[in-house]
Parts: sequence; C-alpha cells; structure tokens
Amino acid sequence: KQEVTQIPAALSVPEGENLVLNCSFTDSAIYNLQWFRQDPGKGLTSLLLIQSSQREQTSGRLNASLDKSSGRSTLYIAASQPGDSATYLCAVISAAGNKLTFGGGTRVLVKP
Amino acid sequence: DAGVIQSPRHEVTEMGQEVTLRCKPISGHDYLFWYRQTMMRGLELLIYFNNNVPIDDSGMPEDRFSAKMPNASFSTLKIQPSEPRDSAVYFCASSLRGRETQYFGPGTRLLVL
Repeated sequence: KQEVTQIPAALSVPEGENLVLNCSFTDSAIYNLQWFRQDPGKGLTSLLLIQSSQREQTSGRLNASLDKSSGRSTLYIAASQPGDSATYLCAVISAAGNKLTFGGGTRVLVKP
Repeated sequence: DAGVIQSPRHEVTEMGQEVTLRCKPISGHDYLFWYRQTMMRGLELLIYFNNNVPIDDSGMPEDRFSAKMPNASFSTLKIQPSEPRDSAVYFCASSLRGRETQYFGPGTRLLVL
C-alpha cells in the first residue's frame, strides 16, 4: 500500500527566504506526482504535476523535482512572500490506478 | 468555467439525521472524486466515478455512506444515519482524465452533533 509522508509538518521562514518542502513515497511505481496548495477553509489548488518520466517541473517561482527511484519529491519556492503562507500537499497516483494518495501536508508560514 | 461547485458549504446536523452533499463537476470532465479530510486521517479518497459509473468505492467507510452520479453534471454523497465521527470536510474533485490534474471544489464542512 502506497504511503506518502511530508516532513516537516510545519515550517516558518522570513520573507524572501527560499522554501524547500519534502515529500517521500514508499512505492516507486507511480504514474505521476502532484503538488497542491490549500488555504485555510478552502479547497485544494493544483500547483504542479510531474509525470513519472520527468525529473522536474517549473512554474514561475515554483520548481518541483522528482526522484522516482528513491521515492522523493521536493518543491522549491523561490523568494518566499507572505502570500505563500498555506498548507502544501503532495500526492501520487500509482502506475496501476487512478487514485491519488496524499501526504499529510506541510503548513508554511512566511513572516513579513 | 465556474469550477467545481459544492453545496452546502456548511452543514450542522444532529446524530441520526440524513445528510446529503452535492457536487457539480467541471463541464466535460469524465472523472469525479469524493474525498474526506480530517485532522487525524488527512485527505482520504472515498469513491470515484468515470462517466457516471462508480469505479472504486473501497474508501467508503461503511454502509451508512452512499454516492450516486445520475448524470455527468451532478453527484451526491449521502450519509444515513449520520454520526459525530462523520464530522469532517468533504471535497469533490473532477478531472478530464483519471490520472491528470484534479480540480477541487471548496468543500462542505460537516458537523454532526
């Protein structure tokens, strides 16, 4: 059974610092990995999707890397801003199915 | 497009009552997913549909939970009878294809007293 872990559970950084969020998964047979953002009381917003054949994906200040063999992904957010404060979740879809398995999330606070 | 629409946004009910949550997926999306989010268990997939047909309901906690998708633009998740441990945020999501980006609704916050 696929398990997804995100450490740390919470992170606080001063504005301008780069953010590094970690995600690990136990079964490397994945189809893709997705990063989401969740604001308090809101739904999830998709940030990046990395196919299993890709090593990284970029969107603006966001960059996500994927090392499938070691079961790890990292989300980098450059030059953090207070508006980046949110919970970030990673999720994987196994190669055999359509179901997303989510990590517990990392709650990020960017201090002005 | 308005995105995934869920109603109600908040629901407070008493134990034993029937609860019905509603979802309208993004037009043209073939897949619809129901999730539950709690502090203890995080986000869990309950059930998903492809072209209105339930494909995997292994995440449905027990027989008190049922879900239907009578047409491509509407789905319901029903809890009967409701219990306090059902209190959670229930999300609906849709995707164009099963393995692609999922678009989430704002969620229904359910409190069972």
